[in-house]
Amino acid sequence: QKEVEQNSGPLSVPEGAIASLNCTYSDRGSQSFFWYRQYSGKSPELIMSIYSNGDKEDGRFTAQLNKASQYVSLLIRDSQPSDSATYLCAVNPRGTTNKLIFGTGTLLAVQP
Amino acid sequence: EADIYQTPRYLVIGTGKKITLECSQTMGHDKMYWYQQDPGMELHLIHYSYGVNSTEKGDLSSESTVSRIRTEHFPLTLESARPSHTSQYLCASSAGLNSPLHFGNGTRLTVT
Repeated sequence: QKEVEQNSGPLSVPEGAIASLNCTYSDRGSQSFFWYRQYSGKSPELIMSIYSNGDKEDGRFTAQLNKASQYVSLLIRDSQPSDSATYLCAVNPRGTTNKLIFGTGTLLAVQP
Repeated sequence: EADIYQTPRYLVIGTGKKITLECSQTMGHDKMYWYQQDPGMELHLIHYSYGVNSTEKGDLSSESTVSRIRTEHFPLTLESARPSHTSQYLCASSAGLNSPLHFGNGTRLTVT
């Protein structure tokens, strides 16, 4: 089992819809969780950080964390074609002093 | 403006050459990282540093070496480049435990 797992996609949603991206992780003691967006050929860009159970909202983005289920998700409301990118989930496992483990990413395609 | 810089952005070089990829950050971060990423593939940690004169190998074995003589500077060196080293190299830094990583723009290396 991979430490951080994501569905590789592509996830295709129509413009204006809600895109839901999911991530599971194996280390129950993981402490911090991040979502990055990566456009093709570019470097990852931080979208959201989440540290405690529940929802965290920032504009059109909502991160959801459920530590009991070892699950973190990212919702993108009112999806735009410019949101088309690969979304990377990153987890800081217990005791690693900030060596983030990245998932393989989910490719999101927003259809105009 | 605080940021993280990588040079060169693109590098095409012949087999056997020695190369150094530069990475500098102006955020005063103690922690710095080098990741390797092939097109469409996941990020792999190859080196990290938690401060001056501290360097460690990452999860992916790499023939490259790094140094950390100054807080702001974390160069990566390949003594003898090979075609198998062709990849994108991403430098990142973070403020501390449970902090997100901030990435530079990357260096796309092609060894012919």
